Amino acid sequence: SQKIEQNSEALNIQEGKTATLTCNYTNYSPAYLQWYRQDPGRGPVFLLLIRENEKEKRKERLKVTFDTTLKQSLFHITASQPADSATYLCALYSSASKIIFGSGTRLSIRP
Amino acid sequence: GAGVSQSPSNKVTEKGKDVELRCDPISGHTALYWYRQSLGQGLEFLIYFQGNSAPDKSGLPSDRFSAERTGGSVSTLTIQRTQQEDSAVYLCASSHRDSAILAKNIQYFGAGTRLSVL
Repeated sequence: SQKIEQNSEALNIQEGKTATLTCNYTNYSPAYLQWYRQDPGRGPVFLLLIRENEKEKRKERLKVTFDTTLKQSLFHITASQPADSATYLCALYSSASKIIFGSGTRLSIRP
Repeated sequence: GAGVSQSPSNKVTEKGKDVELRCDPISGHTALYWYRQSLGQGLEFLIYFQGNSAPDKSGLPSDRFSAERTGGSVSTLTIQRTQQEDSAVYLCASSHRDSAILAKNIQYFGAGTRLSVL
C-alpha cells in the first residue's frame, strides 16, 4: 500500500543552524510533492511544491529536494529562527485530486 | 471570504449524539476536502468534493460519517451516534477551480473544529 513516512517525530536544533527534515514514500510515483507548515491550533499552510523532474526548489530560507530514485524529499530551513518552530508536513498527490499527508515532524528551534 | 472558515471551533458532545460540522471554503474554490487529525498525528483524508459531488468518499471511517455540499460552496460533515474515538480535530480545505492549479492541489485549510466526545 502507499505510505509516507516522516522520519523524525520531533527535531530540536539551535537557532542559526540548518534544520533538515526527511520525507520518504513507498509504492508511489508522485508527479509532485508538497510541504506544509502547521502551528498549534491552526490548519496547515502551504509552503513549497516540487515536481518530479525538479531536483531542488528554493524559497527564501527554505530549500526542498526531491529524489525519485531514493523516493525521498528533504526540507531544509537555513539560518533557523525560533519563529520557524512548528510542525512540518509533507504531502503527495495520489489520485482523483487526493493528497496523502505524512504524520509531520515537530521542529523546535531554541534560542 | 478571505479564507476557509469552519464552525464551530470547538464542540463537546456526549457519546451517542449527532454532530454537524460546517465548512465555508474560499469563494471560487470548487474542490473541497475534509480531513481528521488526531492528537499528534497526521491528516487522515475523509472525503473530497468537486462541486457538489463527492467522487472520493474512500476515507469515511464508517457509515456514521456523511458529508454534503450545496451550491458548490458550504459543506457539512455529519457524525451520527458519536463515539469517543471520533474525538479529533476535523479540518476542511479548499482548492482553486483552475484545472492546472487544481492538478497541483495546493490546499487552503481552515483552523479546524476540535470535537470532544465524552
